[in-house]
Amino acid sequence: SAVISQKPSRDICQRGTSLTIQCQVDSQVTMMFWYRQQPGQSLTLIATANQGSEATYESGFVIDKFPISRPNLTFSTLTVSNMSPEDSSIYLCGMIKTVNEQFFGPGTRLTVL
Amino acid sequence: LAKTTQPISMDSYEGQEVNITCSHNNIATNDYITWYQQFPSQGPRFIIQGYKTKVTNEVASLFIPADRKSSTLSLPRVSLSDTAVYYCLVDSGGGADGLTFGKGTHLIIQP
Repeated sequence: SAVISQKPSRDICQRGTSLTIQCQVDSQVTMMFWYRQQPGQSLTLIATANQGSEATYESGFVIDKFPISRPNLTFSTLTVSNMSPEDSSIYLCGMIKTVNEQFFGPGTRLTVL
Repeated sequence: LAKTTQPISMDSYEGQEVNITCSHNNIATNDYITWYQQFPSQGPRFIIQGYKTKVTNEVASLFIPADRKSSTLSLPRVSLSDTAVYYCLVDSGGGADGLTFGKGTHLIIQP
């Protein structure tokens, strides 16, 4: 198993502000992932964060809106910028510890007013 | 990436065996089939992965026919705590890349 923690667990933010979500894992990993899960929906991959290189974003997601940092092999941050109510969602980080199994954090529940 | 189709929801009772079938008609030769479980307010959790025939671990079995166009997750003797959303995924990375989740199956276990 793996331990992944996220901060904050939840937050309520005002429109136009930004929130940075932190993800800490218990072992060094090359690839970390950020997902969004809108209420009652499945997970959607936002981007892949590799240490030492820029994140790779999926279609529909851009760096200006979701800047990602990956300063070392156990930590990553996702910022949700210039938030609107449509950004209200659960944001989850994930990582691979073995070749075929991803582990996920508990998620950050974001509400934008 | 191959698309998957699962029932949106299923009901069963404690002690029963539950089988959830997933269709993936466009699965590629190098795709693996993986199932994840998600409880409310938690991230998904890996259950099982297979490529063909049958795979069994301590929590579930995965049956994959020869044509690999479908797969069945089998949960033996379910309990109330098995109530969750179950996702079937297919990908060539075997989980090494970002995952594409389908809609999942909401399994409800009743006493």
